Amino acid sequence: AQRVTQPEKLLSVFKGAPVELKCNYSYSGSPELFWYVQYSRQRLQLLLRHISRESIKGFTADLNKGETSFHLKKPFAQEEDSAMYYCALSETSGSRLTFGEGTQLTVNP
Amino acid sequence: DGGITQSPKYLFRKEGQNVTLSCEQNLNHDAMYWYRQDPGQGLRLIYYSQIVNDFQKGDIAEGYSVSREKKESFPLTVTSAQKNPTAFYLCASTHRGQGAGYGYTFGSGTRLTVV
Repeated sequence: AQRVTQPEKLLSVFKGAPVELKCNYSYSGSPELFWYVQYSRQRLQLLLRHISRESIKGFTADLNKGETSFHLKKPFAQEEDSAMYYCALSETSGSRLTFGEGTQLTVNP
Repeated sequence: DGGITQSPKYLFRKEGQNVTLSCEQNLNHDAMYWYRQDPGQGLRLIYYSQIVNDFQKGDIAEGYSVSREKKESFPLTVTSAQKNPTAFYLCASTHRGQGAGYGYTFGSGTRLTVV
């Protein structure tokens, strides 16, 4: 069975500092990985997906199959990045998503 | 304006009662999902449906039931058998054929409290 682990429940950084939110997964096949974000009083929304290799709001994430990781990174954090971030895994296209426990990021001024 | 609508936003239930949470989408999505969100536990899948008149249990289906009589609707009933129903419930949908790679669209959630 697939599993997603986010080791940090809380992460606090100062504005302008680099930030890395960790995500590790266990799955024997070739997964699809995603990062979702939930800003205060807003709906959970897709931030980025590994198959697109895109940068959204300055965030990037690289799938490392050797380390089974999909860490989310941003070189210079902004206060508006404060939110709850979830890493998620899908076995195959169209199937269910398995979410990690989430990391609450706080960017201090 | 396309999207997913969950109602009610807040719901209070007495011990021993069944309650039904509504989820409606006008995105023409095939697949719909119900998740439970608890602090420190992330989102856990309760039930999902990839096609009308068919649904599958997720990881924590005990004490819950669903139906999928229409493509647009996927109501969740929290029964009296659910031991700890107080939680935030999220509904989501996606195109089954296009894959989860296009991401889920989430509703705004229903907060259920047992009193």
